Amino acid sequence: AQTVTQSQPEMSVQEAETVTLSCTYDTSESDYYLFWYKQPPSRQMILVIRQEAYKQQNATENRFSVNFQKAAKSFSLKISDSQLGDAAMYFCAYRSEDFYGQNFVFGPGTRLSVLP
Amino acid sequence: DTEVTQTPKHLVMGMTNKKSLKCEQHMGHRAMYWYKQKAKKPPELMFVYSYEKLSINESVPSRFSPECPNSSLLNLHLHALQPEDSALYLCASSQYRDFPPYNEQFFGPGTRLTVL
Repeated sequence: AQTVTQSQPEMSVQEAETVTLSCTYDTSESDYYLFWYKQPPSRQMILVIRQEAYKQQNATENRFSVNFQKAAKSFSLKISDSQLGDAAMYFCAYRSEDFYGQNFVFGPGTRLSVLP
Repeated sequence: DTEVTQTPKHLVMGMTNKKSLKCEQHMGHRAMYWYKQKAKKPPELMFVYSYEKLSINESVPSRFSPECPNSSLLNLHLHALQPEDSALYLCASSQYRDFPPYNEQFFGPGTRLTVL
């Protein structure tokens, strides 16, 4: 079974600075998807960024980018120019590509605080 | 329409009550999910429906009974719950794995359940 680990339960960043959230995962599969989800205090989970394992290029969405290291099974999220609205729980998630891979595996989450 | 809706937003029930949670999506997604989320924890998968058939049941107690009447609707029937069942219940949907490329989950805002 796959597992996802986020080793930083809490992090903080100064507004306008850059922060990196760590995620590692364990799998024996070669094809899969990785995601970062954000859950602000209002509690609705929204997708931040996605990465397909077969793509070597790191995904980027505006101020959010990932550092995907397939061999190391590492998938970190970098937030540049942090804003107050970035404060939230961030969950790293893994999805299998196999036929039965309808379930997602979530990491324990990192609570990010943004300081004004 | 890229929205998953859930009703009610809040629910308070006694241990002898019977109630239902409702989830709806109109994105044509054929996989739908129920999660339970405790404070500061990641979502825990409860059930997965694929093409309106229950495909994953993560050993959930029988006091939780899911139902998928059609491809857009997902219900969770609750009966004889315990106080420890108090949590945020999240619904999500995704494209089935045959519809690449991304297959991410779209989450609803959740139902905050309190069992007295």
